Amino acid sequence: DAKTTQPNSMESNEEEPVHLPCNHSTISGTDYIHWYRQLPSQGPEYVIHGLTSNVNNRMASLAIAEDRKSSTLILHRATLRDAAVYYCILPNAGGTSYGKLTFGQGTILTVHP
Amino acid sequence: EAQVTQNPRYLITVTGKKLTVTCSQNMNHEYMSWYRQDPGLGLRQIYYSMNVEVTDKGDVPEGYKVSRKEKRNFPLILESPSPNQTSLYFCASSSSGRLTEAFFGQGTRLTVV
Repeated sequence: DAKTTQPNSMESNEEEPVHLPCNHSTISGTDYIHWYRQLPSQGPEYVIHGLTSNVNNRMASLAIAEDRKSSTLILHRATLRDAAVYYCILPNAGGTSYGKLTFGQGTILTVHP
Repeated sequence: EAQVTQNPRYLITVTGKKLTVTCSQNMNHEYMSWYRQDPGLGLRQIYYSMNVEVTDKGDVPEGYKVSRKEKRNFPLILESPSPNQTSLYFCASSSSGRLTEAFFGQGTRLTVV
């Protein structure tokens, strides 16, 4: 399974952009990069995913390095509601456990008022 | 509204008393899975199902059973619960397993005494 590495924690101020990095140096050509977040006392919530090109949606942007060995989740204007644990995941691409989401420790994002 | 519904949300039971945690999704998703979340260990996959009557073990299947008789339902069965199964459980569903987003339920907090 391709593994990901994220910082344990990051802090931001409200209304400022946040860049959450993820390293996945063993990524294969068919691995998608998914981001999820988990707010306190809730189930994980999908944020965004991509393969090669940068992606945008209403929640965030995903910037993928040209060699795909790293990616960055960008929250353009952090709010207090964005305080959560953010997970960078490469779902299993095939064989057994197809589609499995392997959650690491993630990055705890703290947003200050 | 697209959702994954788990019941019950909270359950306290005694060792050895069989229990079932239900999971239902209203999105016609083929792929469903169960995870447990424990402090320091993150979320780990218990079982998954790629379609009706197709189930397979995840990372921590011991002590659990599942069934997938209908597309929308994926119950988690603990035939003889033990205290080490005290945990927070999440059900998830997606249309493709890795190409699209996964939706998670709100979680079931199980305590086995």
